[in-house]
Amino acid sequence: GAGVSQSPSNKVTEKGKDVELRCDPISGHTALYWYRQSLGQGLEFLIYFQGNSAPDKSGLPSDRFSAERTGGSVSTLTIQRTQQEDSAVYLCASSWTASQDTQYFGPGTRLTVL
Amino acid sequence: KQEVTQIPAALSVPEGENLVLNCSFTDSAIYNLQWFRQDPGKGLTSLLLIQSSQREQTSGRLNASLDKSSGRSTLYIAASQPGDSATYLCAVRVDSNYQLIWGAGTKLIIKP
Repeated sequence: GAGVSQSPSNKVTEKGKDVELRCDPISGHTALYWYRQSLGQGLEFLIYFQGNSAPDKSGLPSDRFSAERTGGSVSTLTIQRTQQEDSAVYLCASSWTASQDTQYFGPGTRLTVL
Repeated sequence: KQEVTQIPAALSVPEGENLVLNCSFTDSAIYNLQWFRQDPGKGLTSLLLIQSSQREQTSGRLNASLDKSSGRSTLYIAASQPGDSATYLCAVRVDSNYQLIWGAGTKLIIKP
């Protein structure tokens, strides 16, 4: 079956521009996670959605970052006024529920801010 | 604060060798530990998950061990193959919190 998909696969933008990254989770998965992976670093948790509950935004690094999940499915991560330090691979994962340990990851979006 | 460390950062070995990747964590109060594989341009794939009450898990040529008291886990790969070349990440789940704390990974290259 279809896995987690993300778009675009690569995004190059200029400092100060806004970007939107999209994640399509596996159908039926209620939990969705966004992570950031900087060069040589481990994954950094950004935000978590579970069903219709309020998202856990505790990992968002600044108020320039926001995310939404429409209809409990597709999620969009928005970065406003991008900075060079935002350059990283942004990974999305989904799982059946929050208590399920198996998270299925998308291929990621590589963001480069010039 | 839980921290996860993986050593070495990179490893290159000839095909056919057995090898061990290491993962250490600072707080032994973990819910479980997972090993993932990351291939360039692709997402992460879960390899093995060890619950806190378990000592090891096996899948094919892979064997992961867990020693909570010492804060260590190892991933043993037997009879390595070029297709095993990838970055291997370990991640710990802290108690009932769903969040995973990740190591930076070990980049493994298996030379034919």
